[in-house]
Amino acid sequence: EADIYQTPRYLVIGTGKKITLECSQTMGHDKMYWYQQDPGMELHLIHYSYGVNSTEKGDLSSESTVSRIRTEHFPLTLESARPSHTSQYLCASSPGQVQETQYFGPGTRLLVL
Amino acid sequence: SQKIEQNSEALNIQEGKTATLTCNYTNYSPAYLQWYRQDPGRGPVFLLLIRENEKEKRKERLKVTFDTTLKQSLFHITASQPADSATYLCAPGGSYIPTFGRGTSLIVHP
Repeated sequence: EADIYQTPRYLVIGTGKKITLECSQTMGHDKMYWYQQDPGMELHLIHYSYGVNSTEKGDLSSESTVSRIRTEHFPLTLESARPSHTSQYLCASSPGQVQETQYFGPGTRLLVL
Repeated sequence: SQKIEQNSEALNIQEGKTATLTCNYTNYSPAYLQWYRQDPGRGPVFLLLIRENEKEKRKERLKVTFDTTLKQSLFHITASQPADSATYLCAPGGSYIPTFGRGTSLIVHP
């Protein structure tokens, strides 16, 4: 079982609200990732980080932002939630070696009304 | 552009049979390829990694092959069980962040 945690697991929120999805890992991994996944669809990388104070945008354009102030913590923030943000958000980490096996959290299922 | 193809149709098999899932990729030269299992509503779980210089890799009832000429990986589950029912994702990787295929749903009937 991977030591990577996401909260909340489920979130229902109204349009225009600011939300932060939390992700923490206790494995000391340098690399962390955020993916967005709709039911039955592929994972889309939206943000990643190679270490503290390092953040990059992924392949899928996203209105969210991330920060990496501590190695173990990689929160994702939506300043103003919209119904189009409804999806599952998965956080992952990897040890930062050449072979990038990723360890995923349980995910946050977000519903924006 | 880089593309990963996994059979979008669900694979239905009887318990005890061997399940074979296919992953084809184009415009990649991956140094390795990974397979993950994903259950509904949960994050993917790593199963196996095979490197470009390896033809075959085994782990218990799982076997993966990697043909860099055909740009294809096959994932086999022998003596399949209903508990093996899940979506299986392939992820070619190398000096870049691994990209995941859409996955193939496997349903094992008792």
